[in-house]
Amino acid sequence: SAVISQKPSRDICQRGTSLTIQCQVDSQVTMMFWYRQQPGQSLTLIATANQGSEATYESGFVIDKFPISRPNLTFSTLTVSNMSPEDSSIYLCSAGSFQETQYFGPGTRLLVL
Amino acid sequence: GDSVTQMEGPVTLSEEAFLTINCTYTATGYPSLFWYVQYPGEGLQLLLKATKADDKGSNKGFEATYRKETTSFHLEKGSVQVSDSAVYFCALSGIDGGTSYGKLTFGQGTILTVHP
Repeated sequence: SAVISQKPSRDICQRGTSLTIQCQVDSQVTMMFWYRQQPGQSLTLIATANQGSEATYESGFVIDKFPISRPNLTFSTLTVSNMSPEDSSIYLCSAGSFQETQYFGPGTRLLVL
Repeated sequence: GDSVTQMEGPVTLSEEAFLTINCTYTATGYPSLFWYVQYPGEGLQLLLKATKADDKGSNKGFEATYRKETTSFHLEKGSVQVSDSAVYFCALSGIDGGTSYGKLTFGQGTILTVHP
């Protein structure tokens, strides 16, 4: 199984600022994803992080708001841009290979004031 | 598109009681099915999975059987413990090679509280 770490584990940010979240996997994986979990809610997929190319975003999520990088097979970043209180959520990355189990990082707990 | 529906929660049980959390799905083809668990303040952990019809996933006393005819993947445990208190998510992974390729679609989650 893959072990996934995320940094930071939590942060408190002011509205209008941006935060970059890092996700590191301990082995090479085909697929990496970013999810958002709003308070008391289920997980919603933000985008698929594609290695060496632009991320694929789900409906309702745009690159200007959530730019994503994936420079290699073990690392990805998600930036939450121009934050508002509505962005307060847990952000989780996951990783796996085709038809294999996806493993999740511990999440980044973001509070926007 | 793909969707997962879980039973309404929260669920409150006494220790050693029997647990069932219902999960049904709608998907194209034959998705893989998963149960994930989220303990308070933590990320998601894989609890069990099944990748084809009639497969039974099991772990830590929990079981779920992939029922294609009823499009269900209900989670069961014969005797719950206080340490099982958590949020349980049913999920499916699309495999049709299209827009659902490899992505997880989650149910709404069920909060389980077990009292001593």
